[in-house]
Amino acid sequence: DAGVIQSPRHEVTEMGQEVTLRCKPISGHNSLFWYRQTMMRGLELLIYFNNNVPIDDSGMPEDRFSAKMPNASFSTLKIQPSEPRDSAVYFCASSLGPMVQENEQFFGPGTRLTVL
Amino acid sequence: GQSLEQPSEVTAVEGAIVQINCTYQTSGFYGLSWYQQHDGGAPTFLSYNALDGLEETGRFSSFLSRSDSYGYLLLQELQMKDSASYFCAVRFSRAGGSYIPTFGRGTSLIVHP
Repeated sequence: DAGVIQSPRHEVTEMGQEVTLRCKPISGHNSLFWYRQTMMRGLELLIYFNNNVPIDDSGMPEDRFSAKMPNASFSTLKIQPSEPRDSAVYFCASSLGPMVQENEQFFGPGTRLTVL
Repeated sequence: GQSLEQPSEVTAVEGAIVQINCTYQTSGFYGLSWYQQHDGGAPTFLSYNALDGLEETGRFSSFLSRSDSYGYLLLQELQMKDSASYFCAVRFSRAGGSYIPTFGRGTSLIVHP
């Protein structure tokens, strides 16, 4: 398997623009996670899906952020409008399932977002 | 709320042994994991402890004491390539039965020749 795939790897945009990040989880994995990593705040969970259903979105910072998982092999994280403070590395991760014994998360390479 | 504490930085020399500690406060605790992240890379899974005791995987071992809300990652025979950030993570249960992963701020390990 190719692992978790994210695109784009780098994104530079201007404040106010819409940004869409994409993720393809590992085939057969039922749980998908979106994280944001910054020096100031570390690695933060934004939202977590199980079987394509959002289970917990308490980490989504505000209404400008939205995430979807239309099918088992694709998810998007959208920021509209983007702001400079959204600059971070966004990781997508997947795991076999939500049970604690299916704990290991496989991370994608991340998308480095810069909002000017 | 949930919180994890780990040292921000640890330094050691090649060939040595180093221990990275993690203490946590969380309700509904369901195991402690460790991840490694090299600069510019993605976190990669190292180990998971659900029960008290030591888990060994090659040069790396991980320990958990649930009564002390404490765990550590032990790295033996350090190599230069072990220079990276190490994160402890817990999963806690939220109402509704979901298990939410929370990561510590990470410990930067610097290995000197």
